[in-house]
Amino acid sequence: DTGVSQNPRHKITKRGQNVTFRCDPISEHNRLYWYRQTLGQGPEFLTYFQNEAQLEKSRLLSDRFSAERPKGSFSTLEIQRTEQGDSAMYLCASSLAGTYNEQFFGPGTRLTVL
Amino acid sequence: QKEVEQDPGPLSVPEGAIVSLNCTYSNSAFQYFMWYRQYSRKGPELLMYTYSSGNKEDGRFTAQVDKSSKYISLFIRDSQPSDSATYLCAMNRDDKIIFGKGTRLHILP
Repeated sequence: DTGVSQNPRHKITKRGQNVTFRCDPISEHNRLYWYRQTLGQGPEFLTYFQNEAQLEKSRLLSDRFSAERPKGSFSTLEIQRTEQGDSAMYLCASSLAGTYNEQFFGPGTRLTVL
Repeated sequence: QKEVEQDPGPLSVPEGAIVSLNCTYSNSAFQYFMWYRQYSRKGPELLMYTYSSGNKEDGRFTAQVDKSSKYISLFIRDSQPSDSATYLCAMNRDDKIIFGKGTRLHILP
């Protein structure tokens, strides 16, 4: 399968714990995006990378959130000291630079914070 | 006012009917207009995108953009039960995509 993959698909954690999600983009795509989607809402932009450089972060991305893309391949999104309000679907998408309108999404990681 | 407005539905139509889904937007700087389909518990899937005002057709799907009214539409002809999903309109701002809330569509067999 050459699409975007995300792991884990589901994560249940207790408030205050740290969690890390992984995204593997389509191999030739140099842009990688993270979004958050809550029930009844569209995806909201969190951050994006071009190769290994993080080019922009949304104000939604508090200090508890950090994302990395070492070597410009896969990316990780870490949430420290999780809160119940962090419960959401975390989506990853990738594209070629210059075709940001053609983003391909992964299946998402559903986070539940108890 | 949100940049992109979309009625969340749900919208229920009988199989075979023509479906019309719509969004309005406020930012005249938007250049690309996209429609994504999202099945339950899956990631969004790009259906089609348009760059300018006018119509674009792809099989049973037609996307329409009216920049003067800041209004976009997606029409689905000969709707099928497999079209039941949430449809998200989206537009670009800089290098990012801004999504509408999505409209839940149910095609009744």
